[in-house]
Parts: sequence; structure tokens; C-alpha cells
Amino acid sequence: GAGVSQSPSNKVTEKGKDVELRCDPISGHTALYWYRQSLGQGLEFLIYFQGNSAPDKSGLPSDRFSAERTGGSVSTLTIQRTQQEDSAVYLCASSPQGGETQYFGPGTRLLVL
Amino acid sequence: SQKIEQNSEALNIQEGKTATLTCNYTNYSPAYLQWYRQDPGRGPVFLLLIRENEKEKRKERLKVTFDTTLKQSLFHITASQPADSATYLCALHNAGNMLTFGGGTRLMVKP
Repeated sequence: GAGVSQSPSNKVTEKGKDVELRCDPISGHTALYWYRQSLGQGLEFLIYFQGNSAPDKSGLPSDRFSAERTGGSVSTLTIQRTQQEDSAVYLCASSPQGGETQYFGPGTRLLVL
Repeated sequence: SQKIEQNSEALNIQEGKTATLTCNYTNYSPAYLQWYRQDPGRGPVFLLLIRENEKEKRKERLKVTFDTTLKQSLFHITASQPADSATYLCALHNAGNMLTFGGGTRLMVKP
């Protein structure tokens, strides 16, 4: 069956530009998570959506980062005025009703020049 | 402060031996703990979950222990194979149905 998909798989941008990263969760999963993983590092939590509840944005590193989830399905992570330190792999995961196991997408590799 | 520690140095073992990876945590009281496998260029994949009232959980060649007194989980792979080479992440359940991940340990199994 279809897993979590993310697009683009790779993104190269110039410092100061805005980028949008997309996540398509597994159909029927109500919980969606965004993480950031720098080279050789662990996962850094960014934001969590659960159904129609207000998202938990406690992990967003600055106000340049924002995320939306439309119709309880697709999510978009937006980074405004990108900086070189934003270069990382951005991973999306979903789970059924905020359940215990998270299913990850392949990630978007972002490089800010 | 809350901390999850996994050995950041790679673990190198010979094929057929048992690999043991450690996850230590401080200032958490997790209801459960999970282990994930991550291959280069891919997202993590769920392996096992162990709850706070469980001492041990097994799945095929994998075994996880959870000691809430020591605040430690051990992850064992018996009869290791080169295909087991990957990074293994532990993750603790915290408030709000979220997981906090450790930094991962890279395992290299040599033929």
C-alpha cells in the first residue's frame, strides 16, 4: 500500500529564498509530524498535527518556519528567507489517531547555498 | 534537563555475533519506548515497542529490554548479518502523543 510520500526529494535554493516542502500522509492517519535531521544527527521535532486540534508548534526553531495541514491530509512546511543553517533533511511522519508507531516518508533534502 | 543518549560512535561487529545497542535517558518517565532503523537516504522504520510495565520484548532476531529503574533500554540483534548494518534510533513517548528521538547509533556488521 501507499506509504508517506514527500516532495520534492531534493531541493537546492539560494539563501534568502522561500521554500515549500510537501507531505502526503498515509490515508486515514489523523496525526502528522515534521522533523528535521542534520547530517549525522538525530531527529529534531518541529511540529505535530492531530485531527482538527491546534497544532503543536513547540519545535519550530524560528518564526521563519510555518506549516499547514489542509483538509486533515496533505501538509506543507514553509521556510521563509532560508539560511544556510536550514540545510538538512526534512522528514514527515504520520500515525493513526496519534498512535504509537510513526510511519516516515523518505524525506526532502534541502540545501541552502 | 531531559536527555536521551545513544552511543554516537559506530559499533563494529563480526557477522554472526550479537549486537547490543544502548539507550539511556534522564528526566523522562516514558509510557513506552520504541526502536527504529534508518538506512542512509531513507526515513526511519519502526522495529519494536516496549511499554513501561514490560521487561523484555522479542521479534525474530531482535530483543529489547526496558529498565525504568536504570532508565535504560538495550537493543539486541542476535546472529547479526551485514544486512543489519544501519543506524538504530531509540525514541521515548512523551506528553502529547509525541516521540523524542535519540541521536542514533550506527551499526556495521562485517562479513
